[in-house]
Formats: sequence, structure tokens, C-alpha cells
Amino acid sequence: DTAVSQTPKYLVTQMGNDKSIKCEQNLGHDTMYWYKQDSKKFLKIMFSYNNKELIINETVPNRFSPKSPDKAHLNLHINSLELGDSAVYFCASADRGTGELFFGEGSRLTVL
Amino acid sequence: GNSVTQMEGPVTLSEEAFLTINCTYTATGYPSLFWYVQYPGEGLQLLLKATKADDKGSNKGFEATYRKETTSFHLEKGSVQVSDSAVYFCALSAYSTLTFGKGTMLLVSP
Repeated sequence: DTAVSQTPKYLVTQMGNDKSIKCEQNLGHDTMYWYKQDSKKFLKIMFSYNNKELIINETVPNRFSPKSPDKAHLNLHINSLELGDSAVYFCASADRGTGELFFGEGSRLTVL
Repeated sequence: GNSVTQMEGPVTLSEEAFLTINCTYTATGYPSLFWYVQYPGEGLQLLLKATKADDKGSNKGFEATYRKETTSFHLEKGSVQVSDSAVYFCALSAYSTLTFGKGTMLLVSP
């Protein structure tokens, strides 16, 4: 059973397109996140949702729009893709009791 | 604000060598501390954690001790293996927010 699953794993697209990445967790956690990992492996938090409500929104371009239809899902939609959006995007959910994060396997986005 | 500083990599070692990856933190309150590991092509997974001062986290031969007086959580392993090659992230959790260090790549050669 995959605890945090995200799709697609790989995404190759042209500049200017719109794309979405989906994330689902079956751990019963209330809090979910999106992180961006660049080519140097640096992890940057983008968004955090708690029970479908946005609680962290870092300085991310408004071309990025998260959507949480329920507390088990947190999807990421990106409009007008740019070259600099190429990265690996990780979804995670949090056990608020221990603070531990559980990560998905990542979605590698390549913008041409 | 909270921050985590860890040594820059890559750290290159021969198999069976001793490993130390330094991590220091700045935080208000009493954070929990974590080490995550990312193997090539995979997501991050928890390696070990410590929730209060002087706690020692350990897993798979790795250890780290929560040192409040030096605000440190250094990762150590007595004898590394090729399979330990990965990126290691130090992190702290405070007020439901997890802050990561920049990651340290470890390369172990046979």
C-alpha cells in the first residue's frame, strides 16, 4: 500500500502549457504539503493545507494553484509553464503528533 | 525564524569509513529534529528523529544526538556501505512547520 502517491511520475511539456499533478494520501493525516526540489536537491516548501484549508503559501508565483477537494487529496495546477518550473515536485503529508512527514515519490516536471 | 544549516557535499568516502554529517539549527521553542534520506530517484524517507534534548535517534546503524547546548544534531555512522549513497537532509519541526537543511550528498565507493 502506497501511503502517499502522486501522479504522474514524469511530465514533459512545452513552455506556456498548463499541467496538473495529483496527490493522494491514505494515512488519515490532516496536513498535506507541496515541495519543489531543484537540480541542486534544495527543497523549498510551496504550500501547506490543513483539512482542506490553506495554511502556508510561500512566495510562489500565482501561476501555481493548489486545490484540496478533501483532506486526503492535494493537487497542484500550474498555468503558463516556464523553463524555470522544471524541477521535481514532492507531495507530503504530516503526522501532527510527531511532526514526521511522509513523502510521495516525486513528479519530475521538464519544461521545454 | 527557524533555520537548519548542514555541511555542504558531496561527502565522498570509501566503504567501511566513519561518517559524520554536521547539522546545526536555529529555532524558537523546543523543536523536534529529524534526519531524512533520499535515495536516487526516490522521495524522502525518515531515517531517524529525536524529540527532546539529549535524545538519541538511531536507525540502520546511523545515530544522531539532540544537543540543545550546541544546537546540533550531527549524523554519524561507524561503517558506511555503498548502499548508503544518498542525499541526507537535516530538518526541524516546530509549530507544525518542518524546515529542511539544503541536503548533503554522500557518495560511498567500494
